[in-house]
Amino acid sequence: LAKTTQPISMDSYEGQEVNITCSHNNIATNDYITWYQQFPSQGPRFIIQGYKTKVTNEVASLFIPADRKSSTLSLPRVSLSDTAVYYCLVGAVGYQKVTFGIGTKLQVIP
Amino acid sequence: DAGITQSPRYKITETGRQVTLMCHQTWSHSYMFWYRQDLGHGLRLIYYSAAADITDKGEVPDGYVVSRSKTENFPLTLESATRSQTSVYFCASRTSGSTDTQYFGPGTRLTVL
Repeated sequence: LAKTTQPISMDSYEGQEVNITCSHNNIATNDYITWYQQFPSQGPRFIIQGYKTKVTNEVASLFIPADRKSSTLSLPRVSLSDTAVYYCLVGAVGYQKVTFGIGTKLQVIP
Repeated sequence: DAGITQSPRYKITETGRQVTLMCHQTWSHSYMFWYRQDLGHGLRLIYYSAAADITDKGEVPDGYVVSRSKTENFPLTLESATRSQTSVYFCASRTSGSTDTQYFGPGTRLTVL
């Protein structure tokens, strides 16, 4: 199971773009990269998932370089409501024992 | 359509007592999971279930028992609660499709005195 490393915390001002990078040096060929968001006192919520290159949805973009040893979650023009913990997960689709780690605590400042 | 619910939302119990946390989902998802979340540890998988009557251990199963007689329910029992089991417990479910998205419940905050 690929181990992930991401910053423990980040601060950003409202309106800025935020990029959170996750390292996963031993990612396997059939592993996907998935990001979750967790607000205080709530369960995590799926944000985005990708395998390679770039994936974009209404919430975020996910950039994955060719070697797939890292990935970057990009949140455009953050607002105070984006203050949350963001988790990077790596694992094969269908693999049950995913590891959430401690995530990155993003604080958006007015 | 409530999705995935957990009960109770808050529970205080004493050391040695048996406690059962309930999880119910309305989507008929095949897979269900139990996690605990503690400061400094993130979310850790306790048990999961691939279908009714099929369960398996996760990362931290000791002291916990699960059952799944119906697809929609996945109760977690602490047979003899200990203070180290004070935590926030999250239940999740997902389909067996390709996106592997887990849907989480609101959590149960358990305090063992």
